[in-house]
Amino acid sequence: AQSVTQLDSHVSVSEGTPVLLRCNYSSSYSPSLFWYVQHPNKGLQLLLKYTSAATLVKGINGFEAEFKKSETSFHLTKPSAHMSDAAEYFCVVPGKLIFGQGTTLQVKP
Amino acid sequence: DTEVTQTPKHLVMGMTNKKSLKCEQHMGHRAMYWYKQKAKKPPELMFVYSYEKLSINESVPSRFSPECPNSSLLNLHLHALQPEDSALYLCASSPHRQAEAFEQYFGPGTRLTVT
Repeated sequence: AQSVTQLDSHVSVSEGTPVLLRCNYSSSYSPSLFWYVQHPNKGLQLLLKYTSAATLVKGINGFEAEFKKSETSFHLTKPSAHMSDAAEYFCVVPGKLIFGQGTTLQVKP
Repeated sequence: DTEVTQTPKHLVMGMTNKKSLKCEQHMGHRAMYWYKQKAKKPPELMFVYSYEKLSINESVPSRFSPECPNSSLLNLHLHALQPEDSALYLCASSPHRQAEAFEQYFGPGTRLTVT
């Protein structure tokens, strides 16, 4: 069965420092994988998606993620955090509508 | 227009009330979804409509009744809810049900409180 595991429930960074949000997947084949962001009391917005094309995927707001089959990972990164990045982030297997448990990103001034 | 709208934004209802949540999209999407989201948790899938037909019901209690009157509109009828049903209810749409490569567009949600 397919699943995703977000390795950190909470990540805290200082503004201007790099962000790393970790997602591992479990699947017998290379799945499509998406990252969504949810700001407080808002719906989810797609950040970026991997669909078996380029393994390094660039998304909105300076985020990117690299699909690594050997590590079964799809970690989300950003070189420099901004206060507006504070939100909940979900790693998702879109075809099966499987959501990770979410990672809360806190950005300190 | 890439927007999914949901009304109302907030709803407070008693356990004996009947109310409805509404969701609308004008992107020509043929799949629409209802999710329930508790605080600090991921969305939980409730129902999926594909081409206006119910294709997935994730064993949701009958006090929740979905309806898809046309391809742009999705309703969720609520009756005799329990306090534990209080949550953020999210609607989403995608071009098709087989969403391997299609993103879902989410509405802002309805914050439901059952008293």
